Amino acid sequence: GQQLNQSPQSMFIQEGEDVSMNCTSSSIFNTWLWYKQDPGEGPVLLIALYKAGELTSNGRLTAQFGITRKDSFLNISASIPSDVGIYFCAGLAYSGAGSYQLTFGKGTKLSVIP
Amino acid sequence: SAVISQKPSRDICQRGTSLTIQCQVDSQVTMMFWYRQQPGQSLTLIATANQGSEATYESGFVIDKFPISRPNLTFSTLTVSNMSPEDSSIYLCSVLGGSVRNGYTFGSGTRLTVV
Repeated sequence: GQQLNQSPQSMFIQEGEDVSMNCTSSSIFNTWLWYKQDPGEGPVLLIALYKAGELTSNGRLTAQFGITRKDSFLNISASIPSDVGIYFCAGLAYSGAGSYQLTFGKGTKLSVIP
Repeated sequence: SAVISQKPSRDICQRGTSLTIQCQVDSQVTMMFWYRQQPGQSLTLIATANQGSEATYESGFVIDKFPISRPNLTFSTLTVSNMSPEDSSIYLCSVLGGSVRNGYTFGSGTRLTVV
């Protein structure tokens, strides 16, 4: 099956610093999604990317869909304590007959030191 | 996007028993998905639940262990049967919101601990 390599696995940063994480794959995806999961909650969609090269922002978050369609990155600028959580990339691929397959990365656990 | 209510939010169960998790969506959706998230791990798809037909299970998951019901377009249940401590995980239901462009929406999850 398809696999996503997400890095880094975890990171500790000072409040106010910028953060960058990325996902790579050997497979092509139609859509890249970035989710955040807070403790005790389900993942919440942050950003969705639909075409190669697309660069999309959502507040302090910026994500890009790689030109090769095999990678994506997420940047968080000027981190704040509430950015703490686990960030997952997910690749969506069309698997035929109107169905899609969603593959998740292993997550990046972000800790922000006040 | 769709709003998903999932319950129970957490439970502690004895080994050998079964737990049924419910997922209610505020709109009609064709496909509902059940995921498992083991401690410190990513999300793994268990099965896709289609209304009016049997669920489609991913490799490594079987109907006898994880029976699924999908009686209508807004509701589904997942049962974790004959539980063992290895089944301790977060179980999440998810729907594809409207169109692929809206991404997948997740419930808040059921945190299951088997003792």
